[in-house]
Amino acid sequence: DSGVTQTPKHLITATGQRVTLRCSPRSGDLSVYWYQQSLDQGLQFLIQYYNGEERAKGNILERFSAQQFPDLHSELNLSSLELGDSALYFCASSFRTDTQYFGPGTRLTVL
Amino acid sequence: GIQVEQSPPDLILQEGANSTLRCNFSDSVNNLQWFHQNPWGQLINLFYIPSGTKQNGRLSATTVATERYSLLYISSSQTTDSGVYFCAAVESSGTYKYIFGTGTRLKVLA
Repeated sequence: DSGVTQTPKHLITATGQRVTLRCSPRSGDLSVYWYQQSLDQGLQFLIQYYNGEERAKGNILERFSAQQFPDLHSELNLSSLELGDSALYFCASSFRTDTQYFGPGTRLTVL
Repeated sequence: GIQVEQSPPDLILQEGANSTLRCNFSDSVNNLQWFHQNPWGQLINLFYIPSGTKQNGRLSATTVATERYSLLYISSSQTTDSGVYFCAAVESSGTYKYIFGTGTRLKVLA
């Protein structure tokens, strides 16, 4: 158990819908990262927050947004969902920018 | 942006064998990490190693930043080592973006 929790574990929704994925980092970690893993794109870095502030932005679509709250948990919002958004979404946390600890992931299926 | 390439793409070993996985990156980095994704999908950080050598049990890693590569050594492999090994790098230019390689898929046979 990495200490990082993600909810929900599975999510099935329809095209055009909006969903929110939640991540709670390990106690004491200030950084939260979001990743997308799909069969055709591999592992892709989406976005990083550090102590509530956005620190780095990767291949995150404009339809996606994220935030980190004062209690350091983070949410990833995916809107206007398309079939191609079906993937495993991982959250990770670290104290600063060092060793990352991953959550179990949320499997999103868009029908 | 930085390119990250891993080799070999696939590897099959007999239990007890040793192996070396390689990660090449196209530009200077200030962050390099190795991860293992087990067959159940769980991702585990193995090493945070922007430079130098580290060891953890049967695993060790070396990053030669000046030559832009990192190596992951697995000794006396076990079936539980099976899965996909990823390296990820952050270039020194300050973008803080993590770029992943496509991974090495390892299968260890009993």
